[in-house]
Amino acid sequence: DIQMTQFPSSLSAFVGERVTVTCRASQTINNYLNWYQQKPGKAPKLLIYAASSLQSGVPSRFSGSGSGTDFTLTISSLHPEDFAIYYCQQTYNTPRTFGQGTKVEFK
Amino acid sequence: EVQLVESGGGLVKPGGSLRLSCAVSGFSFSGYSMNWVRQAPGKGLEWVSSISSRSTYIHYADSVRGRFTISRDNAKNSLYLQMNSLRADDTAVYYCARNGPGGSYEDYWGQGTLVTVSS
Repeated sequence: DIQMTQFPSSLSAFVGERVTVTCRASQTINNYLNWYQQKPGKAPKLLIYAASSLQSGVPSRFSGSGSGTDFTLTISSLHPEDFAIYYCQQTYNTPRTFGQGTKVEFK
Repeated sequence: EVQLVESGGGLVKPGGSLRLSCAVSGFSFSGYSMNWVRQAPGKGLEWVSSISSRSTYIHYADSVRGRFTISRDNAKNSLYLQMNSLRADDTAVYYCARNGPGGSYEDYWGQGTLVTVSS
């Protein structure tokens, strides 16, 4: 199975800060990398697919980059509603695997 | 509006069985592959199973293979997960999720249904 490692596991930031979350795959996954946001008690929400494509309706302050094994999710200016847990996911092969999550908290 | 609504969760004893359902609306169900993803309390996301649009291709996580069965009824716009020989570590919120166009991401998710396996 492909292992997905996210770092950091948690971070604290101010509203308005630029935030970056990194995800590393244990083997190359081309661009088969997605990012999800999850708030407490809610289902995950797709933010970015195919490493860098913004899902319809997602604010443009979210962006994704990377290919191969190393990927990044960037929030250009943190909004209050962005405090959540973020997960990366590889869909290069089965089983689809998720990173362990990055919790973004208020500083 | 795309909607996915899970049902069938509840409390079951170890070794017991449960059948989850996911009723969908707002899109042409028969044209999309579907997934079940679970999340144990306080833990991360775990993909469980997937099924192609016509049930031709089915995949399972190793942790559930041989115990869980995914199926769908395109005429009823419904996805199912039959869970047998349940264990305590199957306790989780179970989400159904649609594979987006191209099939390489889950673009719509249900609200989830909680399965608790405990004596």
